[in-house]
Amino acid sequence: AQTVTQSQPEMSVQEAETVTLSCTYDTSESNYYLFWYKQPPSRQMILVIRQEAYKQQNATENRFSVNFQKAAKSFSLKISDSQLGDTAMYFCAFMKLNSGNTPLVFGKGTRLSVIA
Amino acid sequence: DTAVSQTPKYLVTQMGNDKSIKCEQNLGHDTMYWYKQDSKKFLKIMFSYNNKELIINETVPNRFSPKSPDKAHLNLHINSLELGDSAVYFCASSQDAGSSEQYFGPGTRLTVT
Repeated sequence: AQTVTQSQPEMSVQEAETVTLSCTYDTSESNYYLFWYKQPPSRQMILVIRQEAYKQQNATENRFSVNFQKAAKSFSLKISDSQLGDTAMYFCAFMKLNSGNTPLVFGKGTRLSVIA
Repeated sequence: DTAVSQTPKYLVTQMGNDKSIKCEQNLGHDTMYWYKQDSKKFLKIMFSYNNKELIINETVPNRFSPKSPDKAHLNLHINSLELGDSAVYFCASSQDAGSSEQYFGPGTRLTVT
């Protein structure tokens, strides 16, 4: 079974600064996806970024980028130029690829507060 | 247009009651899911349907029964509600069971008193 660990229950960052959220995972699979989801106070689950495990290049989406270290099973999220609207719970998630049975496996989340 | 919708968004009910949460997606997806988010914000899969057939059934009490009348709908019926059922329930859908992207509904906050 896969597990996802987020070791930082809460973090805070000053507006316009950079913050990195940590995520590690455990799996024996070789083909999988990793995700970061954002859940603001509205509770809507919003996909922030996705990484295919077979790709060595780290995914980026505007101010969001990941540091994917496959051998170390590490998948951290970097948020640059933090904005007040980035305040939310952030969930790291894992999904097996091509298994025909692909629920997301989530970490316990990191609550990020962006301070003005 | 809302891609994945859930009704109701809030549900307050007493222990022992039976309630249903409805989910509809207008994306033409084949696969739908129910996730439960507990009071500590932990999200976990409950069920998954592909083309109206159950493909995932995690260790969920049999008081929970999903029903998929067609590919666009996946409803969750809960019998004999207990205090511990209080949570946010999310519906999600994906193109198919192997698709990487899941689209989430807005969630239903269930409070059992």
